[in-house]
Amino acid sequence: AQKITQTQPGMFVQEKEAVTLDCTYDTSDPSYGLFWYKQPSSGEMIFLIYQGSYDQQNATEGRYSLNFQKARKSANLVISASQLGDSAMYFCAMREPLYTGNQFYFGTGTSLTVIP
Amino acid sequence: NAGVTQTPKFRILKIGQSMTLQCTQDMNHNYMYWYRQDPGMGLKLIYYSVGAGITDKGEVPNGYNVSRSTTEDFPLRLELAAPSQTSVYFCASHRQSPQETQYFGPGTRLLVL
Repeated sequence: AQKITQTQPGMFVQEKEAVTLDCTYDTSDPSYGLFWYKQPSSGEMIFLIYQGSYDQQNATEGRYSLNFQKARKSANLVISASQLGDSAMYFCAMREPLYTGNQFYFGTGTSLTVIP
Repeated sequence: NAGVTQTPKFRILKIGQSMTLQCTQDMNHNYMYWYRQDPGMGLKLIYYSVGAGITDKGEVPNGYNVSRSTTEDFPLRLELAAPSQTSVYFCASHRQSPQETQYFGPGTRLLVL
């Protein structure tokens, strides 16, 4: 089974609007971490936001927030007030527990295009 | 701080050749990772290290080897290069506190012909 699933290969959003990028994960461990990364066309990987499985509140970093629904095993990224510079690939990732090896799994990504 | 540096940026190898991809971080992080990214795909974990002298396999370790003699350096060795190893390779270091964050190097684009 896929550890991380991103079902939206491509998304479009109007500038200044909010957009939600979906991510579901699969693990039976109670302790794990969830990450979102941005990869612009230039190719570098940029860390955006982190959510720990025991965190009570949804993580926020500026215009990024993570909608964490533990029972549904989903960790959707919300980008508010989209900007043209947000056009990029976005990857969701999960870190399995440190005590079982600290493995990382990435989804296949969502390509976001912001329309002026 | 330079963060995570990788060399080379780009390399062409012939089938059967070997090479070492260099990765250095100056943030004193214990955890470091090597990933590969095939075209149109997400990253797959090759190897990781939880500290100097300790390494372990990730999801796709075949055809690669690593070593970690210091906290700063985590080289990835390709032995007997194959066309299937054509990919972009990313090294990353992992900060555990106060908040978990991964810092990536700029990547190495490898072409095996």
